[in-house]
Amino acid sequence: DTAVSQTPKYLVTQMGNDKSIKCEQNLGHDTMYWYKQDSKKFLKIMFSYNNKELIINETVPNRFSPKSPDKAHLNLHINSLELGDSAVYFCASGPSGGHGYTFGSGTRLTVV
Amino acid sequence: GENVEQHPSTLSVQEGDSAVIKCTYSDSASNYFPWYKQELGKGPQLIIDIRSNVGEKKDQRIAVTLNKTAKHFSLHITETQPEDSAVYFCASTTGFQKLVFGTGTRLLVSP
Repeated sequence: DTAVSQTPKYLVTQMGNDKSIKCEQNLGHDTMYWYKQDSKKFLKIMFSYNNKELIINETVPNRFSPKSPDKAHLNLHINSLELGDSAVYFCASGPSGGHGYTFGSGTRLTVV
Repeated sequence: GENVEQHPSTLSVQEGDSAVIKCTYSDSASNYFPWYKQELGKGPQLIIDIRSNVGEKKDQRIAVTLNKTAKHFSLHITETQPEDSAVYFCASTTGFQKLVFGTGTRLLVSP
């Protein structure tokens, strides 16, 4: 039933590790996104994919690499994790045009 | 690039009162303005949106107004209830697949 599901919900890891977050949507949307929400609740876009093609890549370190195997999935891999990467990461999907996003429930990443 | 300012950052009201949250956007090409509600531990949820060819839209106790000339848009919640307590975000887009969010307003409705 879940429209946009992301796993895991919580991720605690040490500095320097590599981790992945997975996202799947069953809404038939063409576009998927990754947003980062910092401790002050500010939501900032990281990446956007449309039909498996990268269309937005904001100023994000190269350690972050999104992968979209098909238009229903968008995963986020993070290399060499740093303390400053601690945040809540949200996956979202929407129809083409940027309207009517649906967000997942978030992955709280804590780097220690 | 597009910038969205949102005020106030916190808002406390008594149950039954009205609440108003205001946003200002910078890009005159912006054409879509959604509002999201984020409850604790959850993702943002779309509650209402408005397009640039409309000045006002209502959905039960929630309404949004848009002033394109001033580049302002506002969320109005009437007859607030404790379950309206959450963080509210405004956003805007020019349609190029990217929503730019405001900084959020924490609304607290006291019984």
